[in-house]
Amino acid sequence: GENVEQHPSTLSVQEGDSAVIKCTYSDSASNYFPWYKQELGKGPQLIIDIRSNVGEKKDQRIAVTLNKTAKHFSLHITETQPEDSAVYFCAASPKTSYDKVIFGPGTSLSVIP
Amino acid sequence: DAGITQSPRHKVTETGTPVTLRCHQTENHRYMYWYRQDPGHGLRLIHYSYGVKDTDKGEVSDGYSVSRSKTEDFLLTLESATSSQTSVYFCAITPQLKNTEAFFGQGTRLTVV
Repeated sequence: GENVEQHPSTLSVQEGDSAVIKCTYSDSASNYFPWYKQELGKGPQLIIDIRSNVGEKKDQRIAVTLNKTAKHFSLHITETQPEDSAVYFCAASPKTSYDKVIFGPGTSLSVIP
Repeated sequence: DAGITQSPRHKVTETGTPVTLRCHQTENHRYMYWYRQDPGHGLRLIHYSYGVKDTDKGEVSDGYSVSRSKTEDFLLTLESATSSQTSVYFCAITPQLKNTEAFFGQGTRLTVV
């Protein structure tokens, strides 16, 4: 089955700097890659997703890149702000369906003012 | 939290006792999911439901059962709680199975002593 690895497990950046979180997946059939943000005491919330027919997707300060050959995908946050502090989860699914989504272990991001 | 209510929010129970967690949604979404969240493991799917009385197992279903007698309620039961089931449990809903965003509840923190 699918296995998703995520690095780093913790990340601290200065406010205004960029943050990059990297994930790898094992199942070459995976074609849907969502990213979730979890603030303290809350449930995860989708922030961006990408499908295998796209190499990059941007939404304001957030971008995700996908390299299907290498089975890597990454989350890039530019101009970080204190409210970006949270745990971020990457995930992969072979059928774009949530009954098959496998989540990575998470990255705790701290943005230092 | 997209009309999702989990109850209780916190529970401490003794080893060997049965425990039922409730997920209630007001969105009338067909698909519902139970996840557990543990450090280093991210979110792992326990069970999911395609509709009333239609459920299936996820990747970590041993020791858990579910029931869905109404569209709005999805119950997770730990038949005989063990310390390894100490975790934070999240319910999620999606309006469709594919190509859709998942909405998560706020979680239930369960401690088995």
